[in-house]
Amino acid sequence: DAGVTQSPTHLIKTRGQHVTLRCSPISGHKSVSWYQQVLGQGPQFIFQYYEKEERGRGNFPDRFSARQFPNYSSELNVNALLLGDSALYLCASSLDPSGSRTGELFFGEGSRLTVL
Amino acid sequence: DAKTTQPTSMDCAEGRAANLPCNHSTISGNEYVYWYRQIHSQGPQYIIHGLKNNETNEMASLIITEDRKSSTLILPHATLRDTAVYYCIVRVGSGSARQLTFGSGTQLTVLP
Repeated sequence: DAGVTQSPTHLIKTRGQHVTLRCSPISGHKSVSWYQQVLGQGPQFIFQYYEKEERGRGNFPDRFSARQFPNYSSELNVNALLLGDSALYLCASSLDPSGSRTGELFFGEGSRLTVL
Repeated sequence: DAKTTQPTSMDCAEGRAANLPCNHSTISGNEYVYWYRQIHSQGPQYIIHGLKNNETNEMASLIITEDRKSSTLILPHATLRDTAVYYCIVRVGSGSARQLTFGSGTQLTVLP
């Protein structure tokens, strides 16, 4: 079975540009979460979506937005990129917001964004 | 969610048991202890979780102290592939939509 897939795997942008990252959850999973991982730190929660509705938002500026589509795939959008947005962006899926096994999330390999 | 404290790094000899400690002295009664690991350049991977009782699965064992203020993840026979950052996370469990709050984790290096 396919796991969580993310695209692109790597990308380079310049300051001020916009980026869209995509995530396809595991088949049957209806909840998608996004995390940002800066080099040397643990992942930080950005958004959670379930059934196309936002269920949670972390402490990130309004430049970050996301949405979930009817097929449960998701996009993370970041506007007006800053150097500090350089990070690994991880997508995680679960059957529902509480997780398939009391909180278990399945993570993708991530999209590594470099902002120059 | 309760805060956790883990050592920054640990080494373990291949074939030996790796014991990774975690302190969570402010844990509440309805908070579970979760362990995830992240192998370099990959996404985090779920290992195990528990509430009060010790737990074991095909990957590891989780030992939680009686007062629940600390726990230990045990990899019984560490291999080189177990080299990773291990995260101990405490969060409200079943029925909650709350996110995982990762700390800095423990870098486990399994030595040949």
